[in-house]
Amino acid sequence: GAGVSQTPSNKVTEKGKYVELRCDPISGHTALYWYRQSLGQGPEFLIYFQGTGAADDSGLPNDRFFAVRPEGSVSTLKIQRTERGDSAVYLCASSLTETSRETQYFGPGTRLLVL
Amino acid sequence: GDSVTQMEGPVTLSEEAFLTINCTYTATGYPSLFWYVQYPGEGLQLLLKATKADDKGSNKGFEATYRKETTSFHLEKGSVQVSDSAVYFCALSDPYTGGFKTIFGAGTRLFVKA
Repeated sequence: GAGVSQTPSNKVTEKGKYVELRCDPISGHTALYWYRQSLGQGPEFLIYFQGTGAADDSGLPNDRFFAVRPEGSVSTLKIQRTERGDSAVYLCASSLTETSRETQYFGPGTRLLVL
Repeated sequence: GDSVTQMEGPVTLSEEAFLTINCTYTATGYPSLFWYVQYPGEGLQLLLKATKADDKGSNKGFEATYRKETTSFHLEKGSVQVSDSAVYFCALSDPYTGGFKTIFGAGTRLFVKA
């Protein structure tokens, strides 16, 4: 079946602009995660959704970052007033339920470049 | 806080060589441990996991044993193939102290030569 998909695959923007990154989880998966991966580093946790609600947003670096999942499926990560330091690969993952949250299925990522 | 440290790469091996990638962790609770793999141009995939001390995870010829006494989870494979060339990430998740976070190491790039 279809895996986790993310769009766009690449995004180039200018400093100060607003961007939205989209994640389509595996159908039927209730848990959704966002991570950020900087060059040469492992993924860093940003936020976790169980259904429509953000169960843990402790990894969001500051209030320029926000994520929603209004219908409990697709999620959008929103970054306001982008900075060059936001350049990274943004990864989305999903898992079937909260009890199986340890098995996460990752999407291919969105590569964000802020000029 | 919780953390994962893995050996720096790149690691370059000839086909059929023995592979070890070291991973150690720091955790306040009782974490589950994972190895993820990222093949060129693809997303992260779970390779194997172990959820308690002395458990051995295995998949595709790779193995790792959860060693609580040495806080380690080293990845091994007896005979690597060119197709194993990828970046390998050691990770932990501790739902009792870390919430829903998975904490990743920096990754180790493996090159296998024919």
